[in-house]
Amino acid sequence: ETGVTQSPTHLIKTRGQQVTLRCSSQSGHNTVSWYQQALGQGPQFIFQYYREEENGRGNFPPRFSGLQFPNYSSELNVNALELDDSALYLCASRAGQGASYEQYFGPGTRLTVT
Amino acid sequence: EDQVTQSPEALRLQEGESSSLNCSYTVSGLRGLFWYRQDPGKGPEFLFTLYSAGEEKEKERLKATLTKKESFLHITAPKPEDSATYLCAVPNQAGTALIFGKGTTLSVSS
Repeated sequence: ETGVTQSPTHLIKTRGQQVTLRCSSQSGHNTVSWYQQALGQGPQFIFQYYREEENGRGNFPPRFSGLQFPNYSSELNVNALELDDSALYLCASRAGQGASYEQYFGPGTRLTVT
Repeated sequence: EDQVTQSPEALRLQEGESSSLNCSYTVSGLRGLFWYRQDPGKGPEFLFTLYSAGEEKEKERLKATLTKKESFLHITAPKPEDSATYLCAVPNQAGTALIFGKGTTLSVSS
């Protein structure tokens, strides 16, 4: 069974640029969530995708957007990057829509904005 | 407002010195409490899910317990490889996301 994978591992961008992060969900999982984790903090929920539709969103501006594909893989896009966007971006997948399902995380993408 | 608070923020133990980590939560209608282990620069690793008060789960030197207002992660005779940040999380009211605490960073020295 393949776990959650993310790419790239690390990324350095300049303020104002755009970035796309990718995630492949664990086999059999149809729901993907994205989280942002700043240094020394717990992960913060960005949004969730279920059956290719966004069906939950945290307190993040519209320049954070995403997609889910028919194979349940997902992308996170961030436009107009700001210095505060520097963080570890985590993708998580689970077998059902509800957050009571066990959720498994990928290794993360470390984004640095200069 | 749904909230998760973990204490202490950091804990230093000697190898073999048992202790407990605390996770208190305020959420209506708890639909599960999750414990994760996170090593530096890596994604959280799932440990346990607890669904009802009185429930306990064990894995090697770790045991998680749940009451109506808090959960404890008991670490018995820890080893240096248990050093990590331990995160606690609960589903939000909408049931779409996990709300995380800031974590407890555990350091075990030999």
